Amino acid sequence: GAGVSQSPSNKVTEKGKDVELRCDPISGHTALYWYRQRLGQGLEFLIYFQGNSAPDKSGLPSDRFSAERTGESVSTLTIQRTQQEDSAVYLCASSLDGTGGAGELFFGEGSRLTVL
Amino acid sequence: DQQVKQNSPSLSVQEGRISILNCDYTNSMFDYFLWYKKYPAEGPTFLISISSIKDKNEDGRFTVFLNKSAKHLSLHIVPSQPGDSAVYFCAALPNSGNTPLVFGKGTRLSVIA
Repeated sequence: GAGVSQSPSNKVTEKGKDVELRCDPISGHTALYWYRQRLGQGLEFLIYFQGNSAPDKSGLPSDRFSAERTGESVSTLTIQRTQQEDSAVYLCASSLDGTGGAGELFFGEGSRLTVL
Repeated sequence: DQQVKQNSPSLSVQEGRISILNCDYTNSMFDYFLWYKKYPAEGPTFLISISSIKDKNEDGRFTVFLNKSAKHLSLHIVPSQPGDSAVYFCAALPNSGNTPLVFGKGTRLSVIA
């Protein structure tokens, strides 16, 4: 597609439920990132996929969070047993490669998660 | 511990004047810096970048200045326009290989007509 696509754009869920957020990166981009932005906060790194390398999971806040990526395509971020503090906009980004040479990320519009 | 700090959460500037957004960093391994702009309900978009081998990079109305000794960079927008009203994120990248961008908390710029 022309840009990074995320779904759903909005998700309201009850505390304790599981949610899945989906990201379709730009075709040909080998690197994929998940960030989140909680209210009044900056962009918090969650997880990073680069090609066939093991993902960098260092930003995941707890073991309730996990993410998968199918090859160099779609990624799914799963949050189990959601808590109110998980409420945030979850942003996916992709880049042509992950070498950081250009550093430019292309972001999707985000998935706004509200946990009641 | 915030490695990239944007200490001003908001800034208001009159149309036509200069906007100066500041960013400080603590990690001396950072060697590439970027500014992203974010409108409400949209993802951030890349605006301008600078490598540590430079101290200035200009693109139209936007100029980024880097002071490595002070670990400080700034984004200048001149002249400011109402359409520049957005949240601006500073981001940094270390030279240690495949690592994700580290973002600041952002500064909300309001350009008043």
